[in-house]
Amino acid sequence: QVQLEESGGAVVRPGASLRLSCAASGVPVNNYAMHWVRQAPGKGLEWVAVMSSDGNNKYYADSVRGRFTISRDISKNTLYLHMNSLRGEDTAVYYCAKDRYDEPPGCFESWGQGTLVSVSS
Amino acid sequence: QSALTQPASVSGSPGQSITISCTGTRSDIGSYNFVSWYQQHPGRAPKLIIFNVNSRPSGISSRFSGSKSGDAASLTISGLQAEDEGDYYCSSFASGNSVIFGGGTKLTLL
Repeated sequence: QVQLEESGGAVVRPGASLRLSCAASGVPVNNYAMHWVRQAPGKGLEWVAVMSSDGNNKYYADSVRGRFTISRDISKNTLYLHMNSLRGEDTAVYYCAKDRYDEPPGCFESWGQGTLVSVSS
Repeated sequence: QSALTQPASVSGSPGQSITISCTGTRSDIGSYNFVSWYQQHPGRAPKLIIFNVNSRPSGISSRFSGSKSGDAASLTISGLQAEDEGDYYCSSFASGNSVIFGGGTKLTLL
C-alpha cells in the first residue's frame, strides 16, 4: 500500500526559504514520476513540479520556475521541494503525488495528506 | 497557461445522472489523451477517479465515466449517491511537459 507523508510546512515571512519533505512507503520514489501539487485556501488545485523516475527530467510551473527546486534522496525514499523567495501567493497546502507512470503525464494516482505553507508578513 | 474551464457548480438528485464539462485547448486536451478527473471532499486530499480520458482505477465505481471530444472532456456520474457530493477537478498533460488543472466544480445533491 502506497503511503505519502508530507512535512515541513510552516508560517514564514515573504522572501524566506523552506524545504518540504515527502516520505514514501510502499513504493520507491525512483520507480514513478513524483509531483508536487498545491491548493491555496478555498481555491483549486495547481500543479507545481515533477521529477521523472530516472531523475533526469524535472519540470516546473511558470509560477515557481527559478524559485522552487524538486529533488529526492533515494536512500531515504523521500521527495523534496526546496522553496526560495517565497511570496504571499505561495500560501497553500502542498501535496506530494505519485504518478501512474515513470514519465509525467500527470496522472496522480496516490496523494499525501498535505502540508500547509503560509507566507505572511 | 490558463486553467481548464469547468462549471463552478452542478447539482442533481439522488439516482440521477450529471455531466461535468472541462474545456481546454489544442495545447492540452486537444493534443493528449492524458485527461484525469479527481474527487475531493472537504479537508481531504484529492482522489483519482478517471485517468487517460476514460479509464477507472481499481476500486472506482462504474458509475463514473469519462470521455473526450476535440479540446473538451467530460465526466459523467450516473445513479448519484450522497457520497458523490464534493468537488471535482479535471486535469490534462500540456505542452512544455506541464500539467494543467480545471478550476473545479462543486457537486451538490438536491
